[in-house]
Amino acid sequence: GQQLNQSPQSMFIQEGEDVSMNCTSSSIFNTWLWYKQEPGEGPVLLIALYKAGELTSNGRLTAQFGITRKDSFLNISASIPSDVGIYFCAAEEVEYGNKLVFGAGTILRVKS
Amino acid sequence: GAGVSQSPSNKVTEKGKDVELRCDPISGHTALYWYRQRLGQGLEFLIYFQGNSAPDKSGLPSDRFSAERTGESVSTLTIQRTQQEDSAVYLCASSLVGRFYGYTFGSGTRLTVV
Repeated sequence: GQQLNQSPQSMFIQEGEDVSMNCTSSSIFNTWLWYKQEPGEGPVLLIALYKAGELTSNGRLTAQFGITRKDSFLNISASIPSDVGIYFCAAEEVEYGNKLVFGAGTILRVKS
Repeated sequence: GAGVSQSPSNKVTEKGKDVELRCDPISGHTALYWYRQRLGQGLEFLIYFQGNSAPDKSGLPSDRFSAERTGESVSTLTIQRTQQEDSAVYLCASSLVGRFYGYTFGSGTRLTVV
């Protein structure tokens, strides 16, 4: 099936630093989304992107839907301790509307 | 309710026993999904229900796994003759159909097979 390659696998950064993670695929998608998961909870939607080239911000988070429709990135500026968690990219399959495929996740740890 | 509700939140079972996991989606969400998340790993698609259409079962790992949904409400995921490799968090999510706003996830059921 379709796969998303998410990187990096994990990051351990200093509080205040900026963070960047991305997802790539050989397939094209209709929608890209970014989720955050904290321990013991389900993933929570951070940002949804609907058009190729779209750049969207949500507070300190910025994400872009790649122009080729095959990739997306998420940036977090000025990280804080509560940014800790696992970040997943997800993309809506073109053939099966509303069905998402997920990346393997990026584990983010923040050192204060 | 306001969110997706899953029960139980934790389940410990003996190898070989059957388990049932329950999901209450957000009212009005016609699409419902089950995913499995093994420790330290990403989300693995299991099954997808949308309205009255035949469910997409393409992700179920074996015939020991099955799921049902009553109309557009509650869903149960059943694992028969559980094995240790079934230990994982089972996540349920629901969504609206049409303009896609992504899924809303429940907090999951942590299944431990001993």
